[in-house]
Amino acid sequence: GAGVSQSPSNKVTEKGKDVELRCDPISGHTALYWYRQSLGQGLEFLIYFQGNSAPDKSGLPSDRFSAERTGGSVSTLTIQRTQQEDSAVYLCASGYFMAGNNEQFFGPGTRLTVL
Amino acid sequence: AQSVTQPDIHITVSEGASLELRCNYSYGATPYLFWYVQSPGQGLQLLLKYFSGDTLVQGIKGFEAEFKRSQSSFNLRKPSVHWSDAAEYFCAVGPFGNEKLTFGTGTRLTIIP
Repeated sequence: GAGVSQSPSNKVTEKGKDVELRCDPISGHTALYWYRQSLGQGLEFLIYFQGNSAPDKSGLPSDRFSAERTGGSVSTLTIQRTQQEDSAVYLCASGYFMAGNNEQFFGPGTRLTVL
Repeated sequence: AQSVTQPDIHITVSEGASLELRCNYSYGATPYLFWYVQSPGQGLQLLLKYFSGDTLVQGIKGFEAEFKRSQSSFNLRKPSVHWSDAAEYFCAVGPFGNEKLTFGTGTRLTIIP
């Protein structure tokens, strides 16, 4: 079946502009995650959705970052007033919400470059 | 708080040689442990996972990992590497349920002929 898809694959923007990154999870997956991967860094957790609600937003770095999920499916990560330090690869993952199974399936990522 | 340490930033091995990538974790309860691989320009692919039971787990592409609670380690091994194994490898730990994973900073593997 289809995997996790993300769009766009690459995004170049100017400092101060807003950007939206989209994630389409695997059909039927109730959990959805956003991570950020900066150059030379590991993966940094941003936010987690269970259905349409976000029990854990602890990783969002500032109030410029927000995310929503609609219909228990597609999610959008929005970064307002982008800064150069926001440049990174943004990875989305999805999984089943099932006790004893928190395997996450990752998309290919969106590479964001802020000039 | 949970954390993962991958002490080797970059490892170079010859094709056909054996491989061991180190991973140490800190977690207050029984950990769920994962190894992911990321090829250039690609997303992360799950190699293997440990939830419970046998401490030696087998994964895809001939990889295995051993959970050692006493050492808080979950090292990844392969008896004979192939050029296609060149990639970045990430160890991760997660709690029970379906919450966030905490990743190590990764180990980049280079294969030389």
